[in-house]
Amino acid sequence: ELVLTQSPGTLSLSPGERATLSCRASHNFGSRYLAWYQQKPGQAPRLLIYGTSSRATGIPDRFSGSGSETDFTLTISRLEPEDFAVYYCQQYGSSPLYTFGQGTKLEIK
Amino acid sequence: QLQLQESGPGLVKPSETLSLTCTVSGGSLSSGTSYWGWIRQPPGKGPQYIGTIYYTGSTFYNPSLRSRLTLSVDTSKNQFSLKVSSVTAADTALYYCARDPGQVADIRSFDLWGHGTMVTVSS
Repeated sequence: ELVLTQSPGTLSLSPGERATLSCRASHNFGSRYLAWYQQKPGQAPRLLIYGTSSRATGIPDRFSGSGSETDFTLTISRLEPEDFAVYYCQQYGSSPLYTFGQGTKLEIK
Repeated sequence: QLQLQESGPGLVKPSETLSLTCTVSGGSLSSGTSYWGWIRQPPGKGPQYIGTIYYTGSTFYNPSLRSRLTLSVDTSKNQFSLKVSSVTAADTALYYCARDPGQVADIRSFDLWGHGTMVTVSS
């Protein structure tokens, strides 16, 4: 079973700073289907990035994704106040068919 | 604009069956463009994939839950449903239905979610 491990668990930054979030797979799941979601309190997750590096509809270009094999990164170039939330990565293809990471909480410093 | 809405009991007794329905509005579930999924999120934890179904009735289950799961689709009502049998406290979670437009867009992730419905397993 594939496991996605996100780090750090909590990231404390200030608006305007750059955020780098990591997602590591327990093994190479052999596909580019790595996605990132943002979740705010009381809301459903919102798709940000799919296919490792493609932005979903309406997502600002300050969000970018990269990576391959077992190591993937979500970068937020300049943090806006509305970006402080929990972020999850998700893979498709390995068992179980979709797997989510445990999340990184991005909080205001 | 396509929307998803979960419905079902908020409280289920241990050992009983949890039943939820997701109603699709603003579009047709049977258009063939998407897979329709269930994801749950225990309080304070990350999301967990439960299963997905295509409008034809083809299903994909999380192996860890497979023995207790039944997914079904009713195209006449534009709904798909989830049943989880023999529930325990570990099944307490916020349950979401969601869409993966995997038949027309090569994204294989969930781009549209319902608001979620909280299900508590307790006697």
